[in-house]
Amino acid sequence: QKEVEQNSGPLSVPEGAIASLNCTYSDRGSQSFFWYRQYSGKSPELIMSIYSNGDKEDGRFTAQLNKASQYVSLLIRDSQPSDSATYLCAVKGKQGAQKLVFGQGTRLTINP
Amino acid sequence: DTGVSQNPRHKITKRGQNVTFRCDPISEHNRLYWYRQTLGQGPEFLTYFQNEAQLEKSRLLSDRFSAERPKGSFSTLEIQRTEQGDSAMYLCASSSDRLSNEKLFFGSGTQLSVL
Repeated sequence: QKEVEQNSGPLSVPEGAIASLNCTYSDRGSQSFFWYRQYSGKSPELIMSIYSNGDKEDGRFTAQLNKASQYVSLLIRDSQPSDSATYLCAVKGKQGAQKLVFGQGTRLTINP
Repeated sequence: DTGVSQNPRHKITKRGQNVTFRCDPISEHNRLYWYRQTLGQGPEFLTYFQNEAQLEKSRLLSDRFSAERPKGSFSTLEIQRTEQGDSAMYLCASSSDRLSNEKLFFGSGTQLSVL
């Protein structure tokens, strides 16, 4: 079982709709959860971090965490063509650990 | 803030040769990470430094790989006796324990091709 799993997609969403990206992780002791966006040919950049169960909103982005189900998701509202990228879920383990484990990424395409 | 700098951007080498990459982190960042990424995959953790100390190293990393961070500033990643399977993008990232969101800042990477 991979430490962090994502559906690799591609996920295709019409412009203006909600894009939903999902991620599961295997280490129940994980403490910190992140979503990175990676445009083609570029490096990853952080868009959201979440540490507690529930929802965290930042503009058009909402991260959701359910530690009991070991599940993290990212919702993108009012999707724009500029949101087309690969979205990487990343998980950090027990408190004090610095190793950040990435999933394989979900390729998202927003269709105008 | 000039960002994380990696050199070279591209490296082509023959199988069996040694290669060395350099990473210059953001100046005030005390944490430095090396990752490897292949097409269609997420970044794979290689190693982590806090200041000059190498605190974590992937068990997947063979002994052909070595990394250093002398004086806690720039870092080098060396691959000895390269193999075709080493072809990948090598990403360096830095962070600071003073950042509340634990954000990693990535460099542009070094693309290694082993022929």
